[in-house]
Amino acid sequence: KNEVEQSPQNLTAQEGEFITINCSYSVGISALHWLQQHPGGGIVSLFMLSSGKKKHGRLIATINIQEKHSSLHITASHPRDSAVYICAVYTGNQFYFGTGTSLTVIP
Amino acid sequence: NAGVTQTPKFQVLKTGQSMTLQCAQDMNHEYMSWYRQDPGMGLRLIHYSVGAGITDQGEVPNGYNVSRSTTEDFPLRLLSAAPSQTSVYFCASSYSKGTQQYFGPGTRLTVT
Repeated sequence: KNEVEQSPQNLTAQEGEFITINCSYSVGISALHWLQQHPGGGIVSLFMLSSGKKKHGRLIATINIQEKHSSLHITASHPRDSAVYICAVYTGNQFYFGTGTSLTVIP
Repeated sequence: NAGVTQTPKFQVLKTGQSMTLQCAQDMNHEYMSWYRQDPGMGLRLIHYSVGAGITDQGEVPNGYNVSRSTTEDFPLRLLSAAPSQTSVYFCASSYSKGTQQYFGPGTRLTVT
């Protein structure tokens, strides 16, 4: 049983396209995190949110607590956005991680 | 600030050998954790610590030990390596449990 499901698993886009990555979860949460894992393996935290929407540069994260769903949007995608994007939820006691969405942006 | 550092970056062990993966952070974070990442699976928590002298088990603790004698350091010990422990290991720290985590660069471990 996976507490966190991401879709799609793999995504290829042309440079400049608008990208959406989805995350659904089945547990009650106090916060949801979006992480980025670079091709070299390093993991960076992008967002932590518990309601509404957050924006950082070309990245936008939204969450709908009632529907237990979050989306990560990338506007005007660029090859440097190529990475694995991981959704993680915190229940107040522990984290559950999705298996990630692998994004490739082609010039 | 160096952030979270991990050593070594790569390691090959034979079955039955023991070793320690090092993790240090210079952000004065109370919460530190160790994860393993395997293909097709999400990050899984091995052990965590909420402060110096306090550690607890995560989802997959068997075969691993930890200690936290200082705020900065959180080493992970493999007692008797097994091929099932072949994985990429990440150390992370955060101000408190559940807040934004800062990850180390990872250690790729192969057990033959």
